[in-house]
Amino acid sequence: DSGVTQTPKHLITATGQRVTLRCSPRSGDLSVYWYQQSLDQGLQFLIQYYNGEERAKGNILERFSAQQFPDLHSELNLSSLELGDSALYFCASSVGGGARVADTQYFGPGTRLTVL
Amino acid sequence: SQQGEEDPQALSIQEGENATMNCSYKTSINNLQWYRQNSGRGLVHLILIRSNEREKHSGRLRVTLDTSKKSSSLLITASRAADTASYFCATDASNNNDMRFGAGTRLTVKP
Repeated sequence: DSGVTQTPKHLITATGQRVTLRCSPRSGDLSVYWYQQSLDQGLQFLIQYYNGEERAKGNILERFSAQQFPDLHSELNLSSLELGDSALYFCASSVGGGARVADTQYFGPGTRLTVL
Repeated sequence: SQQGEEDPQALSIQEGENATMNCSYKTSINNLQWYRQNSGRGLVHLILIRSNEREKHSGRLRVTLDTSKKSSSLLITASRAADTASYFCATDASNNNDMRFGAGTRLTVKP
């Protein structure tokens, strides 16, 4: 158990819908990262928040957004869902903010999103 | 886009044999990490090697880093069936904040 929790575990929805994935980092970790893992794209970094502020952005679509709240939990919002958005979405947390700091990331169990 | 690329994509060996996986990357890095993922589960950190280090050991794991060739290797000695998983290298490039993962090597250890 990494100490990172994600809810829900599974999510099934229809195209065009909007969903929210939630992540609680390990106690004491200030950074939260979101990743998308699909069979054809592999593990793709989406976005990182550090202590409430966006720190780094990866391959995140404009239809997707995220935020980190004062209690450090984070939410990833996916809207106008398409079939291709079906994937495993992982959240990870680390103590520091990355960027020239050797931070180990601790991954949550993931949310499996299926768009029908 | 992915920074690291693992090689081979898949590897199948017998229990007790050694497994070697390679990772190549494109830009200068600060650190390189190896992670392991059991099917459908989150990644687990294995080992970190800094850009000024050449080799690191952790139990049955041995990681090397050659910054001149922009490559790293992960050696698992005396493999066990429980080592069956996907292994990813991840790099944090010197010029940005995020960590990039490779496509992974799928290791199967047959009992």
